Amino acid sequence: EVQLVESGGLVVQPGESLRLSCVASGFIFDDYAMHWVRQVPGKGLEWVSLISWDGGSTYYTDSVKGRFTISRANSKNSLSLQMNSLRAEDTALYYCARANSGLAAFDFWGQGTMVIVSS
Amino acid sequence: SSELTQPPSVSVSPGQTASITCSGDKLGDKYASWYQQKPGQSPVLVVYHDTKRPSGISERFSGSSSGNTATLTISVTQALDEADYYCQSWDSTTSYVFGTGTKVTVL
Repeated sequence: EVQLVESGGLVVQPGESLRLSCVASGFIFDDYAMHWVRQVPGKGLEWVSLISWDGGSTYYTDSVKGRFTISRANSKNSLSLQMNSLRAEDTALYYCARANSGLAAFDFWGQGTMVIVSS
Repeated sequence: SSELTQPPSVSVSPGQTASITCSGDKLGDKYASWYQQKPGQSPVLVVYHDTKRPSGISERFSGSSSGNTATLTISVTQALDEADYYCQSWDSTTSYVFGTGTKVTVL
């Protein structure tokens, strides 16, 4: 059974940093690209970032470029999102999601970890 | 980035068919996927590559695409199908975009 378990969400002040983690199990982690997707409670979904299976390629939505860094440790079946210079508009539930084989969809999702940026 | 427009809500009677549309510029040139999200739960992929259904997803869910509109159809709708549904597209230029979401109510 595929499982994705996120952690690291907290209440932080604007300008602070936070690191989210996602531990994967139930599949061969380094066979798949991985994403972070966020959702403001009660609102829609927003793609945040993608990392290739080997970590060699990374992609970001424009609003987080230069502030967020996605990374992975395949030996630990682990995905991370380093979030710097956090803003109020980064407040959301952050999901870790597996990319399907064609990269066009997100085929498994974690339960999410909540990040609140507030003074 | 491009936008994907969905109707805010769709109501359907039990046993009937619900159709949810997703419209976007040049959507026909991209693959569309669909996700079901029930309250308090994570999204679940129900259709990908316009028409394909992941393993374990009911045959009552089907997808189609024509022109710049993708459609998710739920046949023989049941109370357990009440949820928010999001379309999503991807291409190398606009990256990943989600639709505005549709709340399906089974009356």
